[in-house]
Amino acid sequence: GAGVSQSPRYKVAKRGQDVALRCDPISGHVSLFWYQQALGQGPEFLTYFQNEAQLDKSGLPSDRFFAERPEGSVSTLKIQRTQQEDSAVYLCASSPRTDTGTREQYFGPGTRLTVT
Amino acid sequence: DQQVKQNSPSLSVQEGRISILNCDYTNSMFDYFLWYKKYPAEGPTFLISISSIKDKNEDGRFTVFLNKSAKHLSLHIVPSQPGDSAVYFCAASILNAGGTSYGKLTFGQGTILTVHP
Repeated sequence: GAGVSQSPRYKVAKRGQDVALRCDPISGHVSLFWYQQALGQGPEFLTYFQNEAQLDKSGLPSDRFFAERPEGSVSTLKIQRTQQEDSAVYLCASSPRTDTGTREQYFGPGTRLTVT
Repeated sequence: DQQVKQNSPSLSVQEGRISILNCDYTNSMFDYFLWYKKYPAEGPTFLISISSIKDKNEDGRFTVFLNKSAKHLSLHIVPSQPGDSAVYFCAASILNAGGTSYGKLTFGQGTILTVHP
């Protein structure tokens, strides 16, 4: 079946511009995560949705970052007034449910954001 | 504070030999551990996982070992193949105090594995 898809795959933004990154999770997956991966580092948690509810946004680095999942499927991560330190790969992952023993998450290919 | 650490940035192995990738963690509340493999320009792909109630889990050529007392886990790949060349990430998750888990993952920095033919 189809995996997690993300768009755009690459985005170049001028400093100060707003960007919107889209994630299409695997159909039927309840849980959706956003991670930020800086060059040479492992992914770092940003935020988590269970269906349409954003249950954890503790990893969002500033109030310029906003995420939504209004109908419990597609999610958008928005970054306002982008800064150079926002340059990273943004990964989306989904999981069927995470309150059971198996907690594997399925990742999309990521969106590479470059802020110039 | 890096709660999950992979201290070897890279590992080079001959085809057919064993690859051993290591991972250490500091948070004793972690109760589930995963290994992911990542090729360039792709997202991480799940490989294998282990619950803290076990000390070993095996899936084909991949085996994960967990030593809770040492807060250490390792991934063994036997035999190694050139197609295994990738970045390997160790990740951990925690069951929160409320009794429900949403599985937020904490990742290590990754180890680049190169398997030479």
